[in-house]
Amino acid sequence: KNEVEQSPQNLTAQEGEFITINCSYSVGISALHWLQQHPGGGIVSLFMLSSGKKKHGRLIATINIQEKHSSLHITASHPRDSAVYICAPLSIQGAQKLVFGQGTRLTINP
Amino acid sequence: GAVVSQHPSRVICKSGTSVKIECRSLDFQATTMFWYRQFPKQSLMLMATSNEGSKATYEQGVEKDKFLINHASLTLSTLTVTSAHPEDSSFYICSATQGALNQPQHFGDGTRLSIL
Repeated sequence: KNEVEQSPQNLTAQEGEFITINCSYSVGISALHWLQQHPGGGIVSLFMLSSGKKKHGRLIATINIQEKHSSLHITASHPRDSAVYICAPLSIQGAQKLVFGQGTRLTINP
Repeated sequence: GAVVSQHPSRVICKSGTSVKIECRSLDFQATTMFWYRQFPKQSLMLMATSNEGSKATYEQGVEKDKFLINHASLTLSTLTVTSAHPEDSSFYICSATQGALNQPQHFGDGTRLSIL
């Protein structure tokens, strides 16, 4: 079993739809990154959170440490949101090492 | 925001060539940098952790003599793929952090390496 499980693995939606990507992890963590990887490969860190909820524009990330679960939400989705979204907990054992989920490939159709 | 510059973005070269990839933090001091490799449709895989002024810590299965890492300053780390072979073709990406606990990691744009 992977230490980090994301669902769904692939998601196709229409522009404007509300998107939710889920992440469950089994390792002990100090924080968790949500990353966005564009087709060219570059990666942007969207959020780093260790509790509660963070919001940035149309993006919302939540985390429940007790349940070892995090979600990334996108409101009013747009084709430019099409990318791979990666959940990456920061392991407390690993000297700031990130543990990566397999990613969710999101496609937003106009 | 924090910016990490990675260069070159793409390399195509012959088998046996050594390739150097640079990772620079442009507006912050990166005490720790990480080097990752990613094969198509797979997740990132950590290769090594690099701390300024000390030897890199390599993950299990990563050959330190094959993948030379230098982190000589607080803003620059380099990865050299020595005597590259086609199986080394991959996407290499670095990240940098200021080093204190729970500081976010900032990623470069990656280097796509193709060995012919």
